[in-house]
Amino acid sequence: SQQGEEDPQALSIQEGENATMNCSYKTSINNLQWYRQNSGRGLVHLILIRSNEREKHSGRLRVTLDTSKKSSSLLITASRAADTASYFCATDESGGTSYGKLTFGQGTILTVHP
Amino acid sequence: NAGVTQTPKFQVLKTGQSMTLQCAQDMNHEYMSWYRQDPGMGLRLIHYSVGAGITDQGEVPNGYNVSRSTTEDFPLRLLSAAPSQTSVYFCASSYLRTLENYGYTFGSGTRLTVV
Repeated sequence: SQQGEEDPQALSIQEGENATMNCSYKTSINNLQWYRQNSGRGLVHLILIRSNEREKHSGRLRVTLDTSKKSSSLLITASRAADTASYFCATDESGGTSYGKLTFGQGTILTVHP
Repeated sequence: NAGVTQTPKFQVLKTGQSMTLQCAQDMNHEYMSWYRQDPGMGLRLIHYSVGAGITDQGEVPNGYNVSRSTTEDFPLRLLSAAPSQTSVYFCASSYLRTLENYGYTFGSGTRLTVV
């Protein structure tokens, strides 16, 4: 079963607006990662937040992590048409033989209109 | 160029045929894995490896075999293709210690159709 559940499934905004995507998960994690996938392409790593971190920034990206609620959010500020893609959260689960395995959510499809 | 290379990019198989999807990386990553991506299902882990000679099953391993004889290569074998294996397959690799802030590097995918 999927570890991450993403919300919303689809998001449509105008260029310049901010986009927020949410991810919830079920088990303890080492870290949580966000990936982008352009149509017909492979996934590209965007940002990683460790379980002991609460917020992280990278350019126009801001990620938060609330381990008590087992949830994360990805904020893209001042969106551009080029940000149109699917966005996936992925969790690296804690402990033992599961170390290093990523479990992905179903993704949020973001459309940014020029 | 450094990265993860998958071949072929497209493949059509008949039911019952076998084939091998190739994956190679030149970054000396210990961890390699195979995922399949189906519409509405996200990515699901098929098999993974934490080093040469070590493999383990993921969420959906049935119908697939893997081996890891070298650090660089991690082929995925379909033993007897079925229409349910129609999917896009991605190979991904990483340093095992992801605490170093490295995400996973993905290949560009193999689109497989089984008829």
